[in-house]
Amino acid sequence: GESVGLHLPTLSVQEGDNSIINCAYSNSASDYFIWYKQESGKGPQFIIDIRSNMDKRQGQRVTVLLNKTVKHLSLQIAATQPGDSAVYFCAALRRVNSGYSTLTFGKGTMLLVSP
Amino acid sequence: DVKVTQSSRYLVKRTGEKVFLECVQDMDHENMFWYRQDPGLGLRLIYFSYDVKMKEKGDIPEGYSVSREKKERFSLILESASTNQTSMYLCASSFLDEKLFFGSGTQLSVL
Repeated sequence: GESVGLHLPTLSVQEGDNSIINCAYSNSASDYFIWYKQESGKGPQFIIDIRSNMDKRQGQRVTVLLNKTVKHLSLQIAATQPGDSAVYFCAALRRVNSGYSTLTFGKGTMLLVSP
Repeated sequence: DVKVTQSSRYLVKRTGEKVFLECVQDMDHENMFWYRQDPGLGLRLIYFSYDVKMKEKGDIPEGYSVSREKKERFSLILESASTNQTSMYLCASSFLDEKLFFGSGTQLSVL
């Protein structure tokens, strides 16, 4: 099966620094990956996604890097702001026995941004 | 914007009660999901549905059932609530193999 993990449970950064959150996945057949942000008391919000035919994808202040060789992906946040403080989850698409696909989530990294 | 609405933000129930958690999405998505979220365990998939009247078990279906009578609505049912079902329940929807859109969650406490 698929397991998705994050390397650090908590990441503390200073405002203005760049943040890097890492994630490893186990199933080499996974071909779609997503990063979510969850603020306290809210549901997860989509940040950025990447398919396995890409190594890098950029959004507004965020970049996702995918290394299929070592089954690793990372989320980079440029010029981190206090509003970026949240829990960040990576998720990988996996096929279940019925042939359908579901997302498996990592346990999350809490990003703490201090002024 | 996609909107996924969960009927209750907070719910308190007693052990043994039958509990219904309702979820509605407004984007005509085929897929709908129920997850529970617990500290240290992340999001775990309970059930999902790829079509009306269709359901598939997720990773932790025991103690739960679901109903999808209409495309926009997916209900999670706890037949006889137990204290270990105290959790944050998150509903999500998606189009085919695309990103999930989540509701705000229902914090269920079973006493």
